[in-house]
Amino acid sequence: SAVISQKPSRDICQRGTSLTIQCQVDSQVTMMFWYRQQPGQSLTLIATANQGSEATYESGFVIDKFPISRPNLTFSTLTVSNLSPEDSSIYLCSATRNSRLGELFFGEGSRLTVL
Amino acid sequence: KNEVEQSPQNLTAQEGEFITINCSYSVGISALHWLQQHPGGGIVSLFMLSSGKKKHGRLIATINIQEKHSSLHITASHPRDSAVYICAVPIIQGAQKLVFGQGTRLTINP
Repeated sequence: SAVISQKPSRDICQRGTSLTIQCQVDSQVTMMFWYRQQPGQSLTLIATANQGSEATYESGFVIDKFPISRPNLTFSTLTVSNLSPEDSSIYLCSATRNSRLGELFFGEGSRLTVL
Repeated sequence: KNEVEQSPQNLTAQEGEFITINCSYSVGISALHWLQQHPGGGIVSLFMLSSGKKKHGRLIATINIQEKHSSLHITASHPRDSAVYICAVPIIQGAQKLVFGQGTRLTINP
């Protein structure tokens, strides 16, 4: 199995600021993903983090709002920019070693509250 | 209609009871994931299954591909099993991008 360290675990931010969430995997993985979980809702995929190239965003999510980096196979960051209270959610990263269907690993989540 | 539907949405039971959580999906898939989310938000992958049944400790997961239905069972439930259980299926067959059910919030009382 793989262990994913995600930080911060929680943060409270002011409107208009940005928050960067880091995700570190303890072994090389092929694919990394970022999800958002709004209060009382299930997970929604934001983007697939591609190593060394621009992330692939899902419908409704744009790079200006959610810039993502993945400089190597074990590390990725998600920034939530120009925060508004509607961005208050849990953000999770996940990873897999298999480009097709394989076991998934998740971080512990980052709980963001925007005031 | 959601592509992945779970039932029940909430379940409260006494310690020791046998628990069943159901998941029905409308998309064609090659496998299905069962996940457990703890109150802090972290998620653990419990099972990935494409046919039949898998067992891990007190947890059993079954899937019927023809009927597009899966169940998660917990035997001899314990308060530490209290969590949200989520099933997820690939958006595209064989791919890693998932669609998630709404989750079942399970509470086991001592």
